[in-house]
Amino acid sequence: GQQVMQIPQYQHVQEGEDFTTYCNSSTTLSNIQWYKQRPGGHPVFLIQLVKSGEVKKQKRLTFQFGEAKKNSSLHITATQTTDVGTYFCAGRQGGSEKLVFGKGTKLTVNP
Amino acid sequence: NAGVTQTPKFQVLKTGQSMTLQCAQDMNHEYMSWYRQDPGMGLRLIHYSVGAGITDQGEVPNGYNVSRSTTEDFPLRLLSAAPSQTSVYFCASSYRLTERNYGYTFGSGTRLTVV
Repeated sequence: GQQVMQIPQYQHVQEGEDFTTYCNSSTTLSNIQWYKQRPGGHPVFLIQLVKSGEVKKQKRLTFQFGEAKKNSSLHITATQTTDVGTYFCAGRQGGSEKLVFGKGTKLTVNP
Repeated sequence: NAGVTQTPKFQVLKTGQSMTLQCAQDMNHEYMSWYRQDPGMGLRLIHYSVGAGITDQGEVPNGYNVSRSTTEDFPLRLLSAAPSQTSVYFCASSYRLTERNYGYTFGSGTRLTVV
């Protein structure tokens, strides 16, 4: 079945450092979404990427979708303590209505 | 709008008991899904629905049933609870997963413990 792999599982940074999480699929994805879950909270939708090679920015966050639509990344520039949480990618294989999540990357930021 | 409402927030069950986790949304979303979240396992899809009367299995459907008689409601039934079903359960809803920049709206979760 469809699998979405996400690395690293954990990342600890000093405030001000950059952070990147990577997502890889064994199959071509029709789209990929990114979510953030704060400790004790529920996942919150950040963005969706659809086109091959697409790059989108939200303030300090940059999202990329690979040319082959099998991988994606989320990069945070100059992390802040408010960035703490777990970041999930979620992909949908072409023709499928299932949204399958990666295991997430837990980010902690040392002030 | 209330968004996605899940009840109860907490539940303790004994092994073998049955129960229904309730999920309701007031956004007229076509898609609804149930996920379970366990430490280190991310969010795993249990069942999903693309509209009233239509349901399908996700990655981990065993031990769970769903139905979608209305657009608004998508209850999850545990038939005979087992300790392996101890988890946090999230219900989520969305418009159709098309090119529009819509994602799932999640409920606040139900923390279930089976003893």
